[in-house]
Amino acid sequence: GAVVSQHPSWVICKSGTSVKIECRSLDFQATTMFWYRQFPKQSLMLMATSNEGSKATYEQGVEKDKFLINHASLTLSTLTVTSAHPEDSSFYICSATPSGLQETQYFGPGTRLLVL
Amino acid sequence: AQTVTQSQPEMSVQEAETVTLSCTYDTSESNYYLFWYKQPPSRQMILVIRQEAYKQQNATENRFSVNFQKAAKSFSLKISDSQLGDTAMYFCAFMKFPGLGYALNFGKGTSLLVTP
Repeated sequence: GAVVSQHPSWVICKSGTSVKIECRSLDFQATTMFWYRQFPKQSLMLMATSNEGSKATYEQGVEKDKFLINHASLTLSTLTVTSAHPEDSSFYICSATPSGLQETQYFGPGTRLLVL
Repeated sequence: AQTVTQSQPEMSVQEAETVTLSCTYDTSESNYYLFWYKQPPSRQMILVIRQEAYKQQNATENRFSVNFQKAAKSFSLKISDSQLGDTAMYFCAFMKFPGLGYALNFGKGTSLLVTP
């Protein structure tokens, strides 16, 4: 089956530093990747939609200068949290849509970010 | 905008029994997909079942089945012969189509506990 990986699985960083999270589709090409954020005991909230080779589309209220998304290839999207602060601590999940199967999303295992 | 409502924050069921999780949604779209995702303690999102809105027949996947009432905008999940491994958060989700990779719009989730 289709596999999506995320790296790292968890990260602890100091306030003010930047953190990069990678999302890879391992055995398929992903036209579109999505980034979600999930706070404890809450649902997944869409942060942005990332299409290969173009700028990401951010949801209302998500700071695009703080959450930089790059989708440079059909198998890799990255989310960089710039100048992280404790309120950015959360669980970040990516998903990927295979080319030609727009109704299908495969989820990565998530990345837990803790900003001290 | 589409809204997805799960009115049961928590539910409990005994092993081998049947449980139904409710979900309602609001949309003006005519073409869309509905999903149930499971998120166990590992936090990996797992697709349970999918329903295309244009199909009248309710989707089934082994012990999991849905009751899709399009006019009422209702999409409930029935789990038969509940197993301990079914303990998880269950999210109902909506996706409109066609389009280039529409994101999933999740409900707030229902925490299901299966007891021995």
